[in-house]
Amino acid sequence: EAQVTQNPRYLITVTGKKLTVTCSQNMNHEYMSWYRQDPGLGLRQIYYSMNVEVTDKGDVPEGYKVSRKEKRNFPLILESPSPNQTSLYFCASSFYRNRDFPDTGELFFGEGSRLTVL
Amino acid sequence: AQSVTQLDSHVSVSEGTPVLLRCNYSSSYSPSLFWYVQHPNKGLQLLLKYTSAATLVKGINGFEAEFKKSETSFHLTKPSAHMSDAAEYFCVVLLAASGTYKYIFGTGTRLKVLA
Repeated sequence: EAQVTQNPRYLITVTGKKLTVTCSQNMNHEYMSWYRQDPGLGLRQIYYSMNVEVTDKGDVPEGYKVSRKEKRNFPLILESPSPNQTSLYFCASSFYRNRDFPDTGELFFGEGSRLTVL
Repeated sequence: AQSVTQLDSHVSVSEGTPVLLRCNYSSSYSPSLFWYVQHPNKGLQLLLKYTSAATLVKGINGFEAEFKKSETSFHLTKPSAHMSDAAEYFCVVLLAASGTYKYIFGTGTRLKVLA
């Protein structure tokens, strides 16, 4: 089954304790991205990766890091979480070839990771 | 600047009546457009997409949307609401041209279906 898998689904942590949210897709997608969802603000992009060689900041990258060592995985790292990072996080992927032939495919989403930082 | 505006943050309809969720976009390019649905504690699921083929797009669960370039709109409709349609709906634009590849999300419309 084609899917994007995130872990953990739920996490309560404390300020300053490093954590990683994993994301894995089995569709051989080039493009992967992380979003956070907050009430009234919709989904905001944190980081994205066009392929294993290209990763860039989205709209709200402060306090986050990512890594794209292999095509299928795109973990989100919070080095020193703070309460304002309490949110619902989504990983997503889509098919993308290159800038000369950008696909117009849809995003496939994981089930979400609800993070609470105390 | 590219943007997506969902004109209503909340919509309430009675079961069996039509649904209209409005979306307007601003783009310098010919965009691809999507509607997603999010049920409580779930990820986003694709309802339908427009990618420059037919302007009237049919999706899952009886939803459809019409792309109107002159009005820069992509409104989502359903003839008869069902209780299971209660969810949050997101209009999304994909800008893919001239080295740009970015999905832009509306802020969502929460649909309530009354019995």
